[in-house]
Amino acid sequence: NAGVMQNPRHLVRRRGQEARLRCSPMKGHSHVYWYRQLPEEGLKFMVYLQKENIIDESGMPKERFSAEFPKEGPSILRIQQVVRGDSAAYFCASSGLIENSYEQYFGPGTRLTVT
Amino acid sequence: GESVGLHLPTLSVQEGDNSIINCAYSNSASDYFIWYKQESGKGPQFIIDIRSNMDKRQGQRVTVLLNKTVKHLSLQIAATQPGDSAVYFCAAPSGNTGKLIFGQGTTLQVKP
Repeated sequence: NAGVMQNPRHLVRRRGQEARLRCSPMKGHSHVYWYRQLPEEGLKFMVYLQKENIIDESGMPKERFSAEFPKEGPSILRIQQVVRGDSAAYFCASSGLIENSYEQYFGPGTRLTVT
Repeated sequence: GESVGLHLPTLSVQEGDNSIINCAYSNSASDYFIWYKQESGKGPQFIIDIRSNMDKRQGQRVTVLLNKTVKHLSLQIAATQPGDSAVYFCAAPSGNTGKLIFGQGTTLQVKP
């Protein structure tokens, strides 16, 4: 029973390039959350998606960042024209939103380094 | 909105001792709290959760205590082992979408 999968695990981009981070939720889960973690800090919520819908993007920067969760395939977090400040670990979590449960299962993360 | 915070950034304990990691929260309407463990280079791993209608919940070697009066919760780890070395986060959902608000984390160091 595979858990949440993320790829790549490590990604190096030069300033101005695009970064694409992928997340495959646990089998049977249709809710995906993306979080960002800067060094020595806790995780910060970015966006919450269900299949083909963005439900809450209140934590997403207004520019350069976008996310999608298509009907088929993984969820994608896309960062355009990356800057050094985008260097961080990006985690996705999936949930089946079982009634009365907020339990989220996290993937191993993608560590983005912008040079 | 909700905010959660941990009291100490680092906690160092001797192997075999008990560990207590503390967390405070701001929103008295919060009804659910979670503790996560994050090992180096990995994603957060669920440890234990507690609902606001409980004061205490026990798992395997871990206990979470919730004091709603002072808006404080703690994670107790019994007989701490080297494998417990990690960063521990408390988290609480905010709003009705299930998004989690995390504290800053406490690094637990276990000395042999």
